[in-house]
Amino acid sequence: QSALTQPASVSGSPGQSITMSCTGTTSEFGNYNLVSWYQQHPGKAPKLLIYEASKRPSGVSDRFSGSKSGKTASLTITRLQADDEAHYYCCSYVGTYVRVFGGGTKLTVL
Amino acid sequence: EGQLVESGGGLSQPGGSLRLSCAASGFSVSVNYMSWVRQAQGKGLEWVSVIYTAGQTYDADSVQGRFAISRDDSQNTLYLQMNSLRVEDTAVYYCARGIGPYAFDVWGQGTLVTVSS
Repeated sequence: QSALTQPASVSGSPGQSITMSCTGTTSEFGNYNLVSWYQQHPGKAPKLLIYEASKRPSGVSDRFSGSKSGKTASLTITRLQADDEAHYYCCSYVGTYVRVFGGGTKLTVL
Repeated sequence: EGQLVESGGGLSQPGGSLRLSCAASGFSVSVNYMSWVRQAQGKGLEWVSVIYTAGQTYDADSVQGRFAISRDDSQNTLYLQMNSLRVEDTAVYYCARGIGPYAFDVWGQGTLVTVSS
């Protein structure tokens, strides 16, 4: 069982904004901003969207933003597009040198 | 930005061994944190192992004592030696470059490992 919990699914209409969560259980997750977010389309490798909770790599659209408060991290996507339909995974350091991925959230663009 | 290309996947019987390779181009594996991440069919991502720039290695509990990550700086290649394979190790294995020790900014295309009798 993952130490990071994500909702199984979220949905939104084109042009809308959505926010998905990632909740951790360890004090290390709560104390450090080491969560990252990935987008994965079917049959493709994951793509980094956010690292260190809120930093966006160069080349990633500013429609994607991240935040963290306590033991919950969030990914917000604004101005939803059809191509945003994918699985989204959070990942974080959770202690004792271990990194863990959340179970993933399926985003459906209606 | 760099590229990663995995190889070495295939079919193994339970209890068998495989060695995966990940050739890097455009950057040096020796100065980056490098990891292996796997994904079973229809399932989520699972972090497997990491090697730090100074050579320390850390593994997920699920592979501790069976898998070993290493690198060859002269070949600019990352490896994953997988021993005592189990049916539940069946997955696509990705190598990934770390942006810092805890996030992954460059990914390979993945190589499929199937463990079955």
